[in-house]
Amino acid sequence: DGGITQSPKYLFRKEGQNVTLSCEQNLNHDAMYWYRQDPGQGLRLIYYSQIVNDFQKGDIAEGYSVSREKKESFPLTVTSAQKNPTAFYLCASNLQLYSNQPQHFGDGTRLSIL
Amino acid sequence: AQRVTQPEKLLSVFKGAPVELKCNYSYSGSPELFWYVQYSRQRLQLLLRHISRESIKGFTADLNKGETSFHLKKPFAQEEDSAMYYCALLIYNQGGKLIFGQGTELSVKP
Repeated sequence: DGGITQSPKYLFRKEGQNVTLSCEQNLNHDAMYWYRQDPGQGLRLIYYSQIVNDFQKGDIAEGYSVSREKKESFPLTVTSAQKNPTAFYLCASNLQLYSNQPQHFGDGTRLSIL
Repeated sequence: AQRVTQPEKLLSVFKGAPVELKCNYSYSGSPELFWYVQYSRQRLQLLLRHISRESIKGFTADLNKGETSFHLKKPFAQEEDSAMYYCALLIYNQGGKLIFGQGTELSVKP
């Protein structure tokens, strides 16, 4: 059953705490993306990655960090520097960057502040 | 500036009525546009893309470069069409990212 798996589904963060959102794909895709969704707004790009050990900032990267140690995995860390982290986070993948094929999305992680 | 606008937050129609979800874009290059749909408790999934010129679940969308629009249409709405619909623009020079509109919630009443 190919696809993208995001975990956890719900996550709570305390003040000053870093939290990490997991994203795994078994589609053998090279490109992976993280988007943030706020109520009444479209998705905004946080980070993207073309290959292992390579990633680029998107439009709203401040307060976030990523790693790409394996092709299948692209975890997102929401750091304490992100002052407004409450949002819905979506991970996506594609065959490669600059592809006109549609991106595949995970189920998302909802992050809230305690 | 690159932008996608969906002017309606909520669209409510009766079953069997025609439906049109509006999408306008702003982009200096040659646009590639998609419609994504998110049914209740399901993940975001592709509905259709303009380069395919296909009809999925009775929906069609035509790219109008003159009006910079990519409206989604269906002649006879069904209750199972109720969902969130997002119009998205592909930006090649930033890693192939998608710029999404704010989304339109379609509610089809019996």
